[in-house]
Amino acid sequence: TQLLEQSPQFLSIQEGENLTVYCNSSSVFSSLQWYRQEPGEGPVLLVTVVTGGEVKKLKRLTFQFGDARKDSSLHITAAQPGDTGLYLCAGGANYNQGGKLIFGQGTELSVKP
Amino acid sequence: DTGVSQDPRHKITKRGQNVTFRCDPISEHNRLYWYRQTLGQGPEFLTYFQNEAQLEKSRLLSDRFSAERPKGSFSTLEIQRTEQGDSAMYLCASSLGLGGVYSPLHFGNGTRLTVT
Repeated sequence: TQLLEQSPQFLSIQEGENLTVYCNSSSVFSSLQWYRQEPGEGPVLLVTVVTGGEVKKLKRLTFQFGDARKDSSLHITAAQPGDTGLYLCAGGANYNQGGKLIFGQGTELSVKP
Repeated sequence: DTGVSQDPRHKITKRGQNVTFRCDPISEHNRLYWYRQTLGQGPEFLTYFQNEAQLEKSRLLSDRFSAERPKGSFSTLEIQRTEQGDSAMYLCASSLGLGGVYSPLHFGNGTRLTVT
């Protein structure tokens, strides 16, 4: 069974601080996606990484895919209250099938003004 | 692009009753997924369709659960003889699957089921 472990599960920080969320697995994934979810809504895609070692930047968010494609990280610089939400990583396992995504349990981020 | 819509948004039912949820995906998307999410957790995969074919079902999907996508457009998820453990948010997502490429999932806002 392929699992994705996210850490930390909860993070409460002050506006302006930096943070990193980790997503780890013992399995190799063909791609990894990061989503953000707000209460009462469905997850919304932030980024997809597909190549080992790949780094993508989205304004103050930096995403990295591990060289072995087993782990990923999300780094937020100078967090703002609008960054508050549930951050989810999701791995695509079978490249040929293009089927289901497996989600981590999420990191609940709270940024206080 | 009107997004993925799910109906109803909320459902409260008594244990033992049957419930049915509907999902309308983005019109040009050929893949449709059902996930279940409990509070503070990530979505758990239930099943997915490519066009009208149901290609994979999770072991989480007991015999009481059935999903259909009869014409490759909208989908329904039925839960028979509901149990309190079925209380969760049921999320539908769609994507445009092109071969083996992982295209992003577009999620609806879910149906929150409460079984009393």
